[in-house]
Amino acid sequence: QLQLQESGPGLVQPSETLSLTCTVSGGSISTTNHHWGWIRQPPGKGLEWIGIIYYRGSTSYNPSLKSRVTISIDTSKNDFYLHLSSVTAADTALYYCARRHYGSATFDYWGPGTLVTVSS
Amino acid sequence: QSVLTQPPSVSTAPGQKVTISCSGSSSNIGNNYVSWYQQFPGTAPKLLIYENNKRPSGIPDRFSGSKSGTSATLGITGLQTGDEADYYCGTWDTNLGAGVFGGGTKLTVL
Repeated sequence: QLQLQESGPGLVQPSETLSLTCTVSGGSISTTNHHWGWIRQPPGKGLEWIGIIYYRGSTSYNPSLKSRVTISIDTSKNDFYLHLSSVTAADTALYYCARRHYGSATFDYWGPGTLVTVSS
Repeated sequence: QSVLTQPPSVSTAPGQKVTISCSGSSSNIGNNYVSWYQQFPGTAPKLLIYENNKRPSGIPDRFSGSKSGTSATLGITGLQTGDEADYYCGTWDTNLGAGVFGGGTKLTVL
């Protein structure tokens, strides 16, 4: 059974860079049929699509975050990563990593999420 | 302001049927597959419907999806109190070159 798990600091200082890791287990991240993505959810609000990465490294980002987001992947570790720079309180959210089916653009497996608070 | 528009809330009685709408445009729903997700408080979203109307293994046939033009609909029959959750639609937006979600709909089963 495929499992995803987010990890990283729960508290980030304003103007710093938020960095999260998603560890994939129970399956290979080097699959031709899937992307690997990040989604976030501010407290009490809806889902926001952040971006996706293919195992070969190609990416797509939310235009509203594109200038601050980098998603990368390490196939040797079966991990992928999120870096969000110049964070503000508006970036406080539950951050989810998920597997996205290439053809249907569906997120079929999700991590439990990790709360990141931006505060000094 | 979400690219996809959903009603903020819907409510109905146990045993009844409910539909949740998701409205978009030709750059998203009109030309791409729609997915639906169910989210209970404090948990990650769970896939309910993919490719407009397909159910993953384990999702009961009380849940259905449809798409017409630039709108999609999630239907739930035989409502149970356990169906009380937030429901989100999602798709790809060709113009944005990114995925998009609806704002979410809170379902209350009275």
